[in-house]
Amino acid sequence: GAVVSQHPSWVICKSGTSVKIECRSLDFQATTMFWYRQFPKQSLMLMATSNEGSKATYEQGVEKDKFLINHASLTLSTLTVTSAHPEDSSFYICSATDPTGKPQHFGDGTRLSIL
Amino acid sequence: AQKVTQAQTEISVVEKEDVTLDCVYETRDTTYYLFWYKQPPSGELVFLIRRNSFDEQNEISGRYSWNFQKSTSSFNFTITASQVVDSAVYFCALSTGPYNNNDMRFGAGTRLTVKP
Repeated sequence: GAVVSQHPSWVICKSGTSVKIECRSLDFQATTMFWYRQFPKQSLMLMATSNEGSKATYEQGVEKDKFLINHASLTLSTLTVTSAHPEDSSFYICSATDPTGKPQHFGDGTRLSIL
Repeated sequence: AQKVTQAQTEISVVEKEDVTLDCVYETRDTTYYLFWYKQPPSGELVFLIRRNSFDEQNEISGRYSWNFQKSTSSFNFTITASQVVDSAVYFCALSTGPYNNNDMRFGAGTRLTVKP
């Protein structure tokens, strides 16, 4: 069964709207969560790394004021796309891990479409 | 810097053929993990295998097998007797760190189409 739950799985909204995506670890304490973005027919690219209780570390070229990441608990990280525009339309996937060395677990992804 | 190269963008085979997906990686870390994931059209990533840098044994799981060669920095994936359900995008990925808790670097992916 899924150990990382991502919600919602699909979002369609108007340009200018802010969208929040949740990533939950269901049966372990996720000290670290990663957010990836995948444009159509492309690979997954890391956007940011978040450690519980700390500010997220963003990859070069990712606007931290546009993609707000909160990792306030060991089981939940959220990604908020603020004032979304059509170019933000993409597939967003989170993954979660802990220090014990278990394989990273991926959520099922969120398909975001901005009209 | 970490890098994963999947040179094959698309592969098309006929059912029951064997197919090998290539993966070449670069890293300066001595401890790292290599992965293969399957991504069907629905989008979720399906974990296939994880292999750490200290274990060069090849692995077989049903119709799937993996060949890890540190000498050539390759981690190739072979599907034997391919089936239509194997059609998907396959990603090779690399993660470093002793506890596999660093981010993953993905290859560009290989789109496999298996025709009946």
